[in-house]
Amino acid sequence: GNSVTQMEGPVTLSEEAFLTINCTYTATGYPSLFWYVQYPGEGLQLLLKATKADDKGSNKGFEATYRKETTSFHLEKGSVQVSDSAVYFCALSPHNAGNNRKLIWGLGTSLAVNP
Amino acid sequence: DAGVTQSPTHLIKTRGQHVTLRCSPISGHKSVSWYQQVLGQGPQFIFQYYEKEERGRGNFPDRFSARQFPNYSSELNVNALLLGDSALYLCASSPDFGQFFGPGTRLTVL
Repeated sequence: GNSVTQMEGPVTLSEEAFLTINCTYTATGYPSLFWYVQYPGEGLQLLLKATKADDKGSNKGFEATYRKETTSFHLEKGSVQVSDSAVYFCALSPHNAGNNRKLIWGLGTSLAVNP
Repeated sequence: DAGVTQSPTHLIKTRGQHVTLRCSPISGHKSVSWYQQVLGQGPQFIFQYYEKEERGRGNFPDRFSARQFPNYSSELNVNALLLGDSALYLCASSPDFGQFFGPGTRLTVL
């Protein structure tokens, strides 16, 4: 079946540190991959996405590359800020015919950035 | 452009009651999905509707039901509420890849 595994948190970093949050997946075919962010007290926001192998999604300084050979979609940012403190979710959308676009989620990784 | 809107934002119910949550998708989006997010966990898929038809159902009991209207808005109904139904209920609309989420409805069951 389809599943997403994220590194466990919480992750605590100092401002301007390098961030990596690991995400690996299991899926048949060619799923689409996503990173969502949930700031405290808010809903989920799409951070970035990649729809095929070797695609790189990027937004707000965050990047993730769709690696089919390692079934991974690790999230990276070169220099984190306090405002990046949030919970980050990796998700996949299975490759299905039709309009079934349900998302399968990792458990989330909490990031705290200290000044 | 307005994003996905949900109502109410917060709701308190007691065990055994029923609840109706509402969602309006982004204009032009025909697909609406519902998720349950228990505190500290990732969202769990409940339903997806596309063009008023159910296209997917997660592992939730029959107490949970939903429908989509001709204007693509949607309702999620939960009957015979249990304490374990307390969660953030998220609605997402979709044009294609990825989904755009509303702010959610925080349901507390006492």
